[in-house]
Amino acid sequence: QVQLQESGPGLVKPSQTLSLTCTVSGDSISSGDYHWTWIRQPAGKGLEWIGRIYTSGSTNYNPSLKSRVTISVDTSKNQFFLELTAVTATDGAIYYCARDVGLLLWFGELDVWGQGTAVTVSS
Amino acid sequence: DIVLTQSPGTLSLSPGERATLACRASQSVSYSSLAWYQQKPGQAPRLLIYGASSRATGIPDRFTGSGSGTDFFLTISRLEPEDFSVYYCQQYSSSPVTFGQGTKVEIK
Repeated sequence: QVQLQESGPGLVKPSQTLSLTCTVSGDSISSGDYHWTWIRQPAGKGLEWIGRIYTSGSTNYNPSLKSRVTISVDTSKNQFFLELTAVTATDGAIYYCARDVGLLLWFGELDVWGQGTAVTVSS
Repeated sequence: DIVLTQSPGTLSLSPGERATLACRASQSVSYSSLAWYQQKPGQAPRLLIYGASSRATGIPDRFTGSGSGTDFFLTISRLEPEDFSVYYCQQYSSSPVTFGQGTKVEIK
């Protein structure tokens, strides 16, 4: 059974960099069957797609965040990562990692999700 | 970006009733690349429907997805107590992937 688990600091200061890790178990990122995705959800609001990465390191980002986002992968640890620079209070949210079943260049539905990790941006 | 507009914002129904949720896209969603998710308080979203009408693994057959082009629907034939939740549609036909703002199905 595939499981995803987010981890990282729950509190980040304004203007600093938010860094999160998603650890995948029960599946191998390097299998190349899926893309690996980050989504966020501000408290009481809807879902925002941040971006995704393939095992090769190929990425797709939401243009609204592209200048501040980096998604990377470490296949040896079966983990992928999110970095969001120059954060402000509006970046406070629950951050989810998820598996995207889209093949090659196609996007797909998100069939497995982590439980989410809450991040607050405050000094 | 493809904007998804869900309606109604809130649906107040009783257990056993039928629920119909709508998701309208600002432009055509290619290849029926539309999914529906259920989210309960404090939990991650759960995939219900993909490809507009295919049920995900383990999803009861009271959940039915339909539609194409710009208009999509999620129907819950008979509401069970556990179905009162928030539902989101998502398009994945073009980047960036986008979600609707959600429909809350609440107990009347």
